[in-house]
Amino acid sequence: EDQVTQSPEALRLQEGESSSLNCSYTVSGLRGLFWYRQDPGKGPEFLFTLYSAGEEKEKERLKATLTKKESFLHITAPKPEDSATYLCAVQAWRGSSYKLIFGSGTRLLVRP
Amino acid sequence: NAGVTQTPKFRILKIGQSMTLQCTQDMNHNYMYWYRQDPGMGLKLIYYSVGAGITDKGEVPNGYNVSRSTTEDFPLRLELAAPSQTSVYFCASSYRGDDYTFGSGTRLTVV
Repeated sequence: EDQVTQSPEALRLQEGESSSLNCSYTVSGLRGLFWYRQDPGKGPEFLFTLYSAGEEKEKERLKATLTKKESFLHITAPKPEDSATYLCAVQAWRGSSYKLIFGSGTRLLVRP
Repeated sequence: NAGVTQTPKFRILKIGQSMTLQCTQDMNHNYMYWYRQDPGMGLKLIYYSVGAGITDKGEVPNGYNVSRSTTEDFPLRLELAAPSQTSVYFCASSYRGDDYTFGSGTRLTVV
């Protein structure tokens, strides 16, 4: 059965305190792994797509990495504006199309 | 560009009522999706479409129906609303099937 697990469920950081969010998955036929940011009352906003183990992508204070079983979202020197829920999703072929299978997210709060 | 537009933003329904959630995209995307997001949970796929006239079920289709008569519009119909359908509903579209753009959501409460 497809499973995407994110940890921790919630994370509180002080401004400048670096940390990592984890996304582990058991999915057959993985095509890609996606990271999204979601602000309260809004839809998910695309951050990164990773397609192969060893791949890394960066955007400002965020860096995403991928292994065969998990992905990490590293946050370096976070700022209060990085506070949001971060969603991980894996893409696999199911039925007649590729589908995204989402984890339940990590709620990040960065305090000034 | 407006991207993906969902209406209404909020709605309260009584048990047994019906309604249609509207979704329109102006990016000429072939793929469109409906998800629901319950508190503290990930998004669950309800229905999806790979092009006008083509729709298919996702993980949680029971109690919902969709149609796709044009590339731009992908309405979600709730028949006989139940409290279990209280959720936030997101519509998304994609050109290649992997570059999703999400709408801002419809928060639905069934009482």
